[in-house]
Amino acid sequence: AQSVTQPDIHITVSEGASLELRCNYSYGATPYLFWYVQSPGQGLQLLLKYFSGDTLVQGIKGFEAEFKRSQSSFNLRKPSVHWSDAAEYFCAVAPAGGYNKLIFGAGTRLAVHP
Amino acid sequence: SAVISQKPSRDICQRGTSLTIQCQVDSQVTMMFWYRQQPGQSLTLIATANQGSEATYESGFVIDKFPISRPNLTFSTLTVSNMSPEDSSIYLCSVEEGQGRDNEQFFGPGTRLTVL
Repeated sequence: AQSVTQPDIHITVSEGASLELRCNYSYGATPYLFWYVQSPGQGLQLLLKYFSGDTLVQGIKGFEAEFKRSQSSFNLRKPSVHWSDAAEYFCAVAPAGGYNKLIFGAGTRLAVHP
Repeated sequence: SAVISQKPSRDICQRGTSLTIQCQVDSQVTMMFWYRQQPGQSLTLIATANQGSEATYESGFVIDKFPISRPNLTFSTLTVSNMSPEDSSIYLCSVEEGQGRDNEQFFGPGTRLTVL
């Protein structure tokens, strides 16, 4: 069965520090991959997505993610975290060729210390 | 990008009652989705709602418990029927827009439901 694993439930970083959020997926073929952010009281916002091609994907708010087929991973990174990045981050997959039925990971809650 | 609104934004309901959640989109879309986010957990797809056809439910969700309407291309409702405390969740609707690599799913702000 398809699944998405985000091993870290909570992460705390200092403002200005670098960030990496981990995501592993289990899927028969290379799926479409996404990172969403959910700020308190708000809906989900798409940070970036990978469909094919260049394995390093740039997103909004200074985020990037790298697709590694050999590791079935799609980790999210940011070189310098801002206090406003504190939120919950969800990795998601969808079958290639379709956007239907997004499967979400459990999420990683990011706290940022001043 | 699609702008989605949901009503109500939150509600507190009594066990055994039903609540209908509305989802309004500012553009015409073919596919709308309903998700549930239980406390401290991730999002789970409840059903896909296409205009003019019956909603398609995911495993573990049934029409009697979560009836969905999709009367036109900008509106949908989800009803949570005969509620129990286990139904306490955030319910989100989303829509799909774009083609190919520009395809994207946009989410509403959610409806926070508490069942006593």
